[in-house]
Amino acid sequence: EPEVTQTPSHQVTQMGQEVILRCVPISNHLYFYWYRQILGQKVEFLVSFYNNEISEKSEIFDDQFSVERPDGSNFTLKIRSTKLEDSAMYFCASAKRGVEETQYFGPGTRLLVL
Amino acid sequence: DQQVKQNSPSLSVQEGRISILNCDYTNSMFDYFLWYKKYPAEGPTFLISISSIKDKNEDGRFTVFLNKSAKHLSLHIVPSQPGDSAVYFCAAIWRTSGTYKYIFGTGTRLKVLA
Repeated sequence: EPEVTQTPSHQVTQMGQEVILRCVPISNHLYFYWYRQILGQKVEFLVSFYNNEISEKSEIFDDQFSVERPDGSNFTLKIRSTKLEDSAMYFCASAKRGVEETQYFGPGTRLLVL
Repeated sequence: DQQVKQNSPSLSVQEGRISILNCDYTNSMFDYFLWYKKYPAEGPTFLISISSIKDKNEDGRFTVFLNKSAKHLSLHIVPSQPGDSAVYFCAAIWRTSGTYKYIFGTGTRLKVLA
């Protein structure tokens, strides 16, 4: 069964460094999402992406964040200058159609900013 | 106010009995509600959804009930199985001005006892 994959599974970085989190969505899906979950807190929506552009973003998704679909298969989340509070589990998800459609989540990347 | 609340952080149920997970919300403008299940070290898995124009949706062992006047959502799992032990998140979608907001609850940890 197709699944969403994410790499790396864990990333440790120094504060101020740039990180790129990678996701490979399910191949025939058109909608892509990033979420994060800070330890012990709820899952938070970051951004959705459709037709090669951001369709919605939350207040968390500020200028330090960017997303890209560089090659038609990968979907990346870049954090330009990481802060301690960016430490979280980051989940990618994809869906065939719109927001009401079932979203399939990847296993997540655990980011630790020191 | 766009809060989605799951007031019970945990719930224990005997195998074979009914599990009832609750979710309250404050925004009457939410259009769609979803339930996700999450195992440790995995991404959330979509379970079931309901449109705000309905009051019940059923899928196998899972039934979601929506009480709009009480702004209350519940997920019933019957019969509960040990494999259902996980954290359950409710989420709400709010469409506004052609875009949408996606809000998660804090989660309820369900433990099904064999």
